[in-house]
Amino acid sequence: QSVLTQPPSVSAAPGQKVTISCSGSSSNIGNNYVAWYQQLPGTAPKLLIYDNNKRPSGIPDRFSGSKSGTSATLGITGLQTGDEADYYCGTWDSSLSAYVFGTGTKVTVL
Amino acid sequence: EVQLVESGGGLVKPGGSLRLSCAASGFTFSSYSMNWVRQAPGKGLEWVSSISSSSSYIYYADSVKGRFTISRDNAKNSLYLQMNSLRAEDTAVYYCARSSCFSCYGEYWGQGTLVIVSS
Repeated sequence: QSVLTQPPSVSAAPGQKVTISCSGSSSNIGNNYVAWYQQLPGTAPKLLIYDNNKRPSGIPDRFSGSKSGTSATLGITGLQTGDEADYYCGTWDSSLSAYVFGTGTKVTVL
Repeated sequence: EVQLVESGGGLVKPGGSLRLSCAASGFTFSSYSMNWVRQAPGKGLEWVSSISSSSSYIYYADSVKGRFTISRDNAKNSLYLQMNSLRAEDTAVYYCARSSCFSCYGEYWGQGTLVIVSS
C-alpha cells in the first residue's frame, strides 16, 4: 500500500495541459524533495523532475513540477501522443526510512 | 554515457534464492549511491533497497528485510541483490538505479531483469 496517492488516470486532447497530483504527509513530501518519473509502455522509468521542480538535461520545459505542503503536482503542457505513459511521484519517507513511490497515473492523449 | 545493465533474473521456485547483478559504466561508480526498485506485472513501482557509495548506509523495504541483501563491489563497478527465501509476491522486474545522493531520486535506470517465483 503506497503512502503517496495519485489519481489513477488523467486525459486530455493533443496540445492541452494535464496536471497530476501526488498527496503525502509530513514524513515524506512535507519534509523531503519530490521527484517525478515517466514510464513509457514496456520501458524502464525515466527521471522527469527532481528536487520538486528541476528538470534533468534533455527534459523539455513542457514538464514542470511544484510542491506545496504535503502535496506535489506534475504539469504537462502541449500534450503529445508520445506523452502517453505512466507517471510516478517519489520521495524519501523519514518515518519509514524508505523511498516511497506514488500509486501511479496513466496519461491518455485523446 | 551512463549505462546500467541488470542480469541474473529467471525462474525460481518458492523458497529458492537468486542473485541479481547490475553492471555500471560511463561514470565513477564508487561516487554514487545505488538502488534496487521492482515492479510486479501490471503494478506500480516499489523501492526495494538502497546502498550508499561506500556501503556505509543500507536500507531495505520492510517487504524484503531479512531476506534480501544489497551489496556492491566498487572495484568491479557492480551492484548486487542477493534474494533468499523467495516468495510468489517477489515476482517482478527488478531495476537498478543510480542516485546522486543517498535516499534521493533515481536519476539513471537500467532496463530491468525479470524474476519469476513459481513452482
